[in-house]
Amino acid sequence: EAQVTQNPRYLITVTGKKLTVTCSQNMNHEYMSWYRQDPGLGLRQIYYSMNVEVTDKGDVPEGYKVSRKEKRNFPLILESPSPNQTSLYFCASSLYPGGRYNEKLFFGSGTQLSVL
Amino acid sequence: DQQVKQNSPSLSVQEGRISILNCDYTNSMFDYFLWYKKYPAEGPTFLISISSIKDKNEDGRFTVFLNKSAKHLSLHIVPSQPGDSAVYFCAASADAGGTSYGKLTFGQGTILTVHP
Repeated sequence: EAQVTQNPRYLITVTGKKLTVTCSQNMNHEYMSWYRQDPGLGLRQIYYSMNVEVTDKGDVPEGYKVSRKEKRNFPLILESPSPNQTSLYFCASSLYPGGRYNEKLFFGSGTQLSVL
Repeated sequence: DQQVKQNSPSLSVQEGRISILNCDYTNSMFDYFLWYKKYPAEGPTFLISISSIKDKNEDGRFTVFLNKSAKHLSLHIVPSQPGDSAVYFCAASADAGGTSYGKLTFGQGTILTVHP
């Protein structure tokens, strides 16, 4: 089954304790991206990756890191989480992103992160 | 600066009636627009899209209208069904090759409730 898999679904942590949210897709997609969803703000892009070893900042990259060492995986790293990073996070993938080739994004089920 | 805005946080409609969800954008470089639907505890799923060369696109009960001069798009659901109750996000992207390539900008979302 074609899917984007995120882990964990729920995560409670404390300020400053490094964490990683994993994301994996089995559709051989070139493009992967991370979003956070906050009330009243919708979905905001954190980082995206056009291909292996190619990543770029989205609209809200501060406090996050990503890596794309292989096509299927795109982990999101919070080196020193803070309470304002409490949010619902989504990973997504696509064959091609926006523009004339616009392929729809496939989203994971989300990771609810609470930073105390 | 919110480049894609959904000014109605919620909409309540009776089953069988039309649901109209609205979205406004400010960036004139956007040329592809999408609607995503999100159920609780799930990731968003693609619903329908429209290119800026068109002003209307239909897919079954769902129709998206684009008014480029007003920088406005709308999603019509006819007839509305209780299973349509979800959060609806509009999103926009710019053409490949521009500095916005790879970015999909989402609105804040509108919660649609369809009553039986």
